[in-house]
Amino acid sequence: EDQVTQSPEALRLQEGESSSLNCSYTVSGLRGLFWYRQDPGKGPEFLFTLYSAGEEKEKERLKATLTKKESFLHITAPKPEDSATYLCAVQARTGNQFYFGTGTSLTVIP
Amino acid sequence: NAGVTQTPKFRILKIGQSMTLQCTQDMNHNYMYWYRQDPGMGLKLIYYSVGAGITDKGEVPNGYNVSRSTTEDFPLRLELAAPSQTSVYFCASGWGASEAFFGQGTRLTVV
Repeated sequence: EDQVTQSPEALRLQEGESSSLNCSYTVSGLRGLFWYRQDPGKGPEFLFTLYSAGEEKEKERLKATLTKKESFLHITAPKPEDSATYLCAVQARTGNQFYFGTGTSLTVIP
Repeated sequence: NAGVTQTPKFRILKIGQSMTLQCTQDMNHNYMYWYRQDPGMGLKLIYYSVGAGITDKGEVPNGYNVSRSTTEDFPLRLELAAPSQTSVYFCASGWGASEAFFGQGTRLTVV
């Protein structure tokens, strides 16, 4: 069964304190792994797509990496505006569905 | 460019009532999806469509129906609303083997 687990559930960081969010997955042939950001009361906003192990993508203070079993979202020197819930999703080669994890709620304290 | 537009944003229904959640996208995407999001449970797929006239069930389809008569529109119908359908509903669209773009959501309460 295709499955996505994110950890930690919640993370509090001081402004400037770098850290990583984890997304471990089980899927029968990975088509793609997706990272989204979700602000309270809003829909998920697309951040990155990773397709193969070893791939990395960067955007401002965020960097996503992928291995055969997990993905990390590294946050370097975070700012309060990075506070949000970060969602990970996978899509299998054999289907059309996205399977989402339950997210990591990030709070960055000034 | 509006992207994915959902209406209404909020709705309160009584048990047993019916309603349609509207979703329109202007990106000419072939794939469209309906998800529900409950606290601590993550996004669960209700129905999806790979093109006009084609729909398929997701993980949690019971109590819902969809149709896809045009590329742009993908309405979600709730028949005989139940308290278990209280949730936030998100519509999304995409090209299938790539990222999906989400609307702002409809917060539905069934009382």
